[in-house]
Amino acid sequence: EIVLTQSPGTLSLSPGERATLSCRASQSVSSSYLAWYQQKPGQAPRLLIYGASSRATGIPDRFSGSGSGTDFTLTISRLEPEDFAVYYCQHYGSSPYTFGQGTKLEIK
Amino acid sequence: EVQLVESGGGLVQPGRSLRLSCAASGFTFDDYAMHWVRQAPGKGLEWVSGISWNSGSIGHADSVKGRFTISRDNAKNSLYLQMNSLRAEDTALYYCAKAYRGQCFDYWGQGTLVTVSS
Repeated sequence: EIVLTQSPGTLSLSPGERATLSCRASQSVSSSYLAWYQQKPGQAPRLLIYGASSRATGIPDRFSGSGSGTDFTLTISRLEPEDFAVYYCQHYGSSPYTFGQGTKLEIK
Repeated sequence: EVQLVESGGGLVQPGRSLRLSCAASGFTFDDYAMHWVRQAPGKGLEWVSGISWNSGSIGHADSVKGRFTISRDNAKNSLYLQMNSLRAEDTALYYCAKAYRGQCFDYWGQGTLVTVSS
């Protein structure tokens, strides 16, 4: 089973700043089968990034994903008020399709 | 518009069973794998089970293997999760999710809450 470790646990930033979230895998993620999700309180998760770097439909271009192998990054170039939420990474190359524990992005 | 609507959650005693359902609409159901993902109160996401478009490939997390069974009925555009021998640690909001580009999830339902308690 691939274990995903996200850091930091909580990130405190202000609107307009740049956010960098990390996801590290315990073993290489095949074919960059790594996704990122955003979840707001009381809502279902929303797919942001798949294939490590491809934006899902309707996702603003301030969200970008990068990385390969065991190290992946989600970057939000300029934070908007609606971006403050919890973010999860997920690998989906092989079962079990595990999630990271999440990074909470909060307003400073 | 894609819609996934879960049902069947509720309060159940430890050791008992429950069957969750997910009604899908707005897409060609039998073209896609489907999954269940759960979230315990205040906790993160946990993949539970997945099933291929034709039920030919099925997977379960180790935490539910031997107790939970995923199935689907393509004629009814429906996904199911039979949960047996329920434990307190199974208490969670259970989401139905549609697979996309492999096994990430592009559409999610709003979830159905399962509470296991005596």
